[in-house]
Amino acid sequence: DVKVTQSSRYLVKRTGEKVFLECVQDMDHENMFWYRQDPGLGLRLIYFSYDVKMKEKGDIPEGYSVSREKKERFSLILESASTNQTSMYLCASNPGGGTEAFFGQGTRLTVV
Amino acid sequence: AQSVTQLDSQVPVFEEAPVELRCNYSSSVSVYLFWYVQYPNQGLQLLLKYLSGSTLVKGINGFEAEFNKSQTSFHLRKPSVHISDTAEYFCAVVRMDSSYKLIFGSGTRLLVRP
Repeated sequence: DVKVTQSSRYLVKRTGEKVFLECVQDMDHENMFWYRQDPGLGLRLIYFSYDVKMKEKGDIPEGYSVSREKKERFSLILESASTNQTSMYLCASNPGGGTEAFFGQGTRLTVV
Repeated sequence: AQSVTQLDSQVPVFEEAPVELRCNYSSSVSVYLFWYVQYPNQGLQLLLKYLSGSTLVKGINGFEAEFNKSQTSFHLRKPSVHISDTAEYFCAVVRMDSSYKLIFGSGTRLLVRP
């Protein structure tokens, strides 16, 4: 089975901190995604990566950056966390070509 | 640009009753279509997908969906729901000219009551 692992289930950070959310997949997938999930808004795409060191902005990239130095790992970075970034963050991967994405369990981030 | 609309934010239904969760999309090109389910405190898992072929697609847990190109819809149905179907359901699309972006609707919370 495909496994997508997010490093933390829960995180509490202070305003202004630099925050790293890590995601690892074990199926050699080309594509990896970061979404944030908020009630009533569904999943909104922050960034996605279609290859090592390649990335594209999603619908809400402001305040975020990403890093993909190795194929299996995709990191989401909050350069200076703010309270409006309190949310559930979901990582996903897929091999491309219209196939379904596989999701991690999510990281619930609270910025205080 | 593409968008996905799930008109119902919450659908309450009694156990063993049928249910339909609605999904409409807009896109200038053909799309692949997906339904995902999220149980409480869990990640998303795939229920079913439409890539091509028969417009009636069957998925896990007795769910099915029908692709209607003229109405740009992909509604999810189950003839008889169980308490365990209580979850949030998300419709999603991927454009056929770019397999990168997977765009989701806002979700529908299905509440099954005894």
